[in-house]
Amino acid sequence: DQQVKQNSPSLSVQEGRISILNCDYTNSMFDYFLWYKKYPAEGPTFLISISSIKDKNEDGRFTVFLNKSAKHLSLHIVPSQPGDSAVYFCAASGGSGGYQKVTFGTGTKLQVIP
Amino acid sequence: ETGVTQSPTHLIKTRGQQVTLRCSSQSGHNTVSWYQQALGQGPQFIFQYYREEENGRGNFPPRFSGLQFPNYSSELNVNALELDDSALYLCASSLAIRALEETQYFGPGTRLLVL
Repeated sequence: DQQVKQNSPSLSVQEGRISILNCDYTNSMFDYFLWYKKYPAEGPTFLISISSIKDKNEDGRFTVFLNKSAKHLSLHIVPSQPGDSAVYFCAASGGSGGYQKVTFGTGTKLQVIP
Repeated sequence: ETGVTQSPTHLIKTRGQQVTLRCSSQSGHNTVSWYQQALGQGPQFIFQYYREEENGRGNFPPRFSGLQFPNYSSELNVNALELDDSALYLCASSLAIRALEETQYFGPGTRLLVL
């Protein structure tokens, strides 16, 4: 049962343009959402997060949007840079009875073309 | 650089053997979580330790067990290895048990191959 879904396994974007990565979830108990970036041979690195009480959170070039009614979130990267090329994981937590269980999606590989 | 280290980086075992993977958390981080990442998948939560006690577990059988030590190190033990246990094993440390705003810091992982 895949509770966090990233339906696009890969995405190619020209440098300077916007990258939009999408994520859907099914568990209505999730109340905190995160995006992680992963380079080869490294562990995932936290990028940005959003609480379910918000619908937008911005950090520099990265913005995460949350649509609770649609159980959908997206990550916008503007402008995209070649160094952003990595695998991006959407993740969610909540409803796990007091411990920090994070459920990850399968990832989207972003390639930013110079 | 997250300050979280894991050893070994790679490991090859045969079916039925036992394996111990090690993680050294950031100093002061009292929570460590372990994840299994199969090829082409996202990390799957195995369990979490808080102050040396397991306080949460994912859908993994009891042959997956762990230990957390006072010096911010921890272990993941897997008994009776199966071919499907081949994966990247990640540990992640954080400051708090359930502070949603607390970031988990991941190590680079141990890649286990079971033949």
